[in-house]
Parts: sequence; C-alpha cells; structure tokens
Amino acid sequence: EAQVTQNPRYLITVTGKKLTVTCSQNMNHEYMSWYRQDPGLGLRQIYYSMNVEVTDKGDVPEGYKVSRKEKRNFPLILESPSPNQTSLYFCASMSQNEKLFFGSGTQLSVL
Amino acid sequence: AQKVTQAQTEISVVEKEDVTLDCVYETRDTTYYLFWYKQPPSGELVFLIRRNSFDEQNEISGRYSWNFQKSTSSFNFTITASQVVDSAVYFCALSEDASNFGNEKLTFGTGTRLTIIP
Repeated sequence: EAQVTQNPRYLITVTGKKLTVTCSQNMNHEYMSWYRQDPGLGLRQIYYSMNVEVTDKGDVPEGYKVSRKEKRNFPLILESPSPNQTSLYFCASMSQNEKLFFGSGTQLSVL
Repeated sequence: AQKVTQAQTEISVVEKEDVTLDCVYETRDTTYYLFWYKQPPSGELVFLIRRNSFDEQNEISGRYSWNFQKSTSSFNFTITASQVVDSAVYFCALSEDASNFGNEKLTFGTGTRLTIIP
C-alpha cells in the first residue's frame, strides 16, 4: 500500500531535549516536505526536499533541521525544542502529478 | 508572494443542505495548481482535487463540485446534499511555478471547519 509513515504519533517532551520525528515513503517520490499545523494558521511549510541531499527552507524553518540521505526518508530534527514548537506536524511526499500524500501526523507537546 | 485566503473560519449547516466553501488566492505566476484537502476529525489529510491554472472547467465528483474562476482568483468548493461524514476541516492550497516540478512552494489557507448538523 502506498503510504507516508510518520512516527511517533504523539510525543511529549521537555524544553531543550533533542528529538527526531521520522518520515518514510514507499512511493519513490523525489519531493518530500514537512508542515506544521496550528490553530488559525493552517499548514505552514517548514522544509522541503527535491531529492536526495537537496533540502530547502520553507516558511517557518527556524528551530528545525532536516536531512535527506536516502530517497525514502526525511526526518525532522528539533535540536533544542521550545514550547512554541508545540504543534501538529505532517510529513508529505509529492507525486509527479503534484498530488501530495500526507502522513498521519505527529502531535508534539514541548513542556 | 503567494497567498490563499479562506475567509470562512467555521460553517454549520443542517444535513442535506448544500454548502459552499470559499477560497481566494493571490499569485504572480501564470502557471500554478490549486488544491483542496479534507481533514476529518481523525486528523489525516485527504487529497480531494488538483486544478491546473490553464484548466478553468468546473469539476464535479459525486456530491462535490469545484468552481474555478481566474477572473476573481477563486476556487470554491460546493458540497451538495451534505452528510454528517462531510464534517471536517477543509484546506485550499496553491502551488506556484507548476511548470518546474520540485521547485514549487505550496501555500495553504487557514482552513474552514465545516460541521454538518444531523
């Protein structure tokens, strides 16, 4: 089954404790991206990647890192999480016909 | 800069009524894509439609229809004979530079929460 898999589904952490949210797709898509969803703000793009070893900043990249060492994986790294990064995060990959496939989301709470 | 505006924050209608969700966009590109996504209470994001800027034909899919009007920069979504299962948050999105795949930036609206009252 074609899918984007995100883990974990829920995560509670404390300020400053490094964390990684994993994202993997099995559709051989070149384009992957991360979004955060906040009430009243919709989805905002954090980072995107056009291919292996190619990443670029979206609208709200501050406080986040990503890597794309292989096509299927695109982890989101928070080196020193802060409470303002409490949000619902979505990973997505895009097919050649511009259809975005989303993961099931990661609800992150930073205390 | 591109922008998507969904002015309706929340809408409630009684089941079987028709409802239209508005989407207005801004872009300087002549080539772009418009999308609608549904986010049901379970939280996942479900793709509904993609429309190329060169294709202004309206589209109908079952109870769903979309009205794309470049003259008013709008891409409105209508649900006919609404059902309780239609209750969700709906997002409109814009992708610029659609002619150059992989370099486009996808911008979402803030979403419209639709509640269908049984």
